[in-house]
Amino acid sequence: GENVEQHPSTLSVQEGDSAVIKCTYSDSASNYFPWYKQELGKRPQLIIDIRSNVGEKKDQRIAVTLNKTAKHFSLHITETQPEDSAVYFCAAGRGNQFYFGTGTSLTVIP
Amino acid sequence: GAGVSQSPSNKVTEKGKDVELRCDPISGHTALYWYRQSLGQGLEFLIYFQGNSAPDKSGLPSDRFSAERTGGSVSTLTIQRTQQEDSAVYLCASSLGDRVGYTFGSGTRLTVV
Repeated sequence: GENVEQHPSTLSVQEGDSAVIKCTYSDSASNYFPWYKQELGKRPQLIIDIRSNVGEKKDQRIAVTLNKTAKHFSLHITETQPEDSAVYFCAAGRGNQFYFGTGTSLTVIP
Repeated sequence: GAGVSQSPSNKVTEKGKDVELRCDPISGHTALYWYRQSLGQGLEFLIYFQGNSAPDKSGLPSDRFSAERTGGSVSTLTIQRTQQEDSAVYLCASSLGDRVGYTFGSGTRLTVV
């Protein structure tokens, strides 16, 4: 099965700085890579995703990059704001099934 | 419904009792998933349904855990003879199909005392 590793487990940045979270996966057949944001006490919510035929995708302050050869993908948040503070999960998979990373707790310091 | 609905939102049970958790997915979503999230931990996969069948039960932690889905819609996760280590938030998610992100429910917080 797929094995997804996520780093770092915790990340603190000053407001306005950028944050980068990295994930690696093991199954070269994985072709879909979503990212979820989970605020304290709330459900995970999809924030951005990327498919294997694309190398980069951007949505306002959030971007995701994918390197299929190296089997890693990253989430980039620019101009961070306090409301970006949350736990972020990456996932990788194909078809209907995805495997999640262990999460990154991001704290944006005002 | 508009979102994935889970009930109850909170459940406190005595060790050794059975509990049943319910998930009502978004209408039309054929795929349904159960995950478990312990305090401060990641998302642990439990089981996945495609329609009414469960092609992957590999995540169920023991034979005390079972799940079913009827009518391609509502799913129940049953934990028999609960143990304290079963305490966690149980999250249900559904998706429309291939390579589409999940929508999660709000979860059931289970506390075994």
